[in-house]
Amino acid sequence: DTGVSQNPRHKITKRGQNVTFRCDPISEHNRLYWYRQTLGQGPEFLTYFQNEAQLEKSRLLSDRFSAERPKGSFSTLEIQRTEQGDSAMYLCASSPRTGGAPNEQYFGPGTRLTVT
Amino acid sequence: TQLLEQSPQFLSIQEGENLTVYCNSSSVFSSLQWYRQEPGEGPVLLVTVVTGGEVKKLKRLTFQFGDARKDSSLHITAAQPGDTGLYLCPGGTYKYIFGTGTRLKVLA
Repeated sequence: DTGVSQNPRHKITKRGQNVTFRCDPISEHNRLYWYRQTLGQGPEFLTYFQNEAQLEKSRLLSDRFSAERPKGSFSTLEIQRTEQGDSAMYLCASSPRTGGAPNEQYFGPGTRLTVT
Repeated sequence: TQLLEQSPQFLSIQEGENLTVYCNSSSVFSSLQWYRQEPGEGPVLLVTVVTGGEVKKLKRLTFQFGDARKDSSLHITAAQPGDTGLYLCPGGTYKYIFGTGTRLKVLA
């Protein structure tokens, strides 16, 4: 399978615990994005990387959230001291965008986080 | 800040009916994508439109990009239960801006 993969698919954690999610993009894609989607809403942008550089972070991304993309390959999203409001689907997408090509992003299956 | 609205938010129809859903932006899109998302899964890319006035067809789905590149529509002919899902039309030069989507349910 050459699509975007995310692990784990589901995570249940207790409030106050730390969690880490992993995203493996399509191998030749240099851009990687994280989004968060709550029930009944469209996804909201969290952050994006071009290669290993994190180029933008949303104001939604509090200090408890950190994302990395070492070596410009896979990415991790860590949430520290989880809160019930963090419960959501976390989506990762990658894009091969270069030059003037359209911004087509390919999404992974998501990680569903439930904070109890 | 670019705003994006989709309508209707919810649509429930019988198998075989036709439908159209709409996507409107406060700003011009350089390109626009349509996705379908099923419960518990990530969005799946259906089509990209780039040129104002462009029409693209994907089997029973017809996508149209407005002349001014600020709006788009998706028309489904003879809907089937497999068309059920959340339809999203994000835009953006790098990060996507999403609306709430149109949640379609096709009843057998």
